[in-house]
Amino acid sequence: QSALTQPPSASGSPGQSVTISCTGTSSDVGGYDYVSWYQQHPGKAPKLMIYEVTKRPSGVPDRFSGSKSGNTASLTVSGLQAEDEADYYCSSYAGSNNFVFGGGTKLTVL
Amino acid sequence: QVQLQESGPGLVKPSETLSLTCTVSGYSISSGFYWGWIRQPPGKGLEWIGTIYHSGSTYYNPSLKSRVTISLDTSKNQFSLKLSSVTAADTAMYYCARHSRGFYEGFDIWGQGTMVTVSS
Repeated sequence: QSALTQPPSASGSPGQSVTISCTGTSSDVGGYDYVSWYQQHPGKAPKLMIYEVTKRPSGVPDRFSGSKSGNTASLTVSGLQAEDEADYYCSSYAGSNNFVFGGGTKLTVL
Repeated sequence: QVQLQESGPGLVKPSETLSLTCTVSGYSISSGFYWGWIRQPPGKGLEWIGTIYHSGSTYYNPSLKSRVTISLDTSKNQFSLKLSSVTAADTAMYYCARHSRGFYEGFDIWGQGTMVTVSS
């Protein structure tokens, strides 16, 4: 199984919106609505931000939203804030009891 | 409040077996949920290693399957990872985590991670 493809970096100014993509195949992202997104600050464990493509766990600001089209999932962060600067990872169920992560995207708030 | 804590040696010699334990507090692992191991090499992305169900069923990353064993110790409320024949490529931060709603789902609770270096 191959890692999901994410852009290495993304950036935006405070208050702006930024979208991070996560591209897989019909065997993972495109085949199941089990895409999750994680935020990871330096030296910290990842934090679940989105599950089942669009759902937010309790406590996650509604500035974070998820979507999917075909084999590509996306995470949008609206109203960027300084504390949103972090690495973001996607993951997807990949069938046959497999799980796959994306390579990660470093989000910079300018 | 459910919490996970990894423990184990921080240094392992090449060709030996890496052994880590995840201690769960605030929830009895024999009651439910899937419990997993994920690793992150320095400066790199996340890699799923494998998962165990509260019943003992296991699921492994195909690329690591020949070297990985995950087991439960319900008496200690722990689950463990063994990775055999390690090389420098296995140097990473190792996290234990809980699948949020089922195996298909992502991980909602993570341990703080433990760094393991493979070196002679």
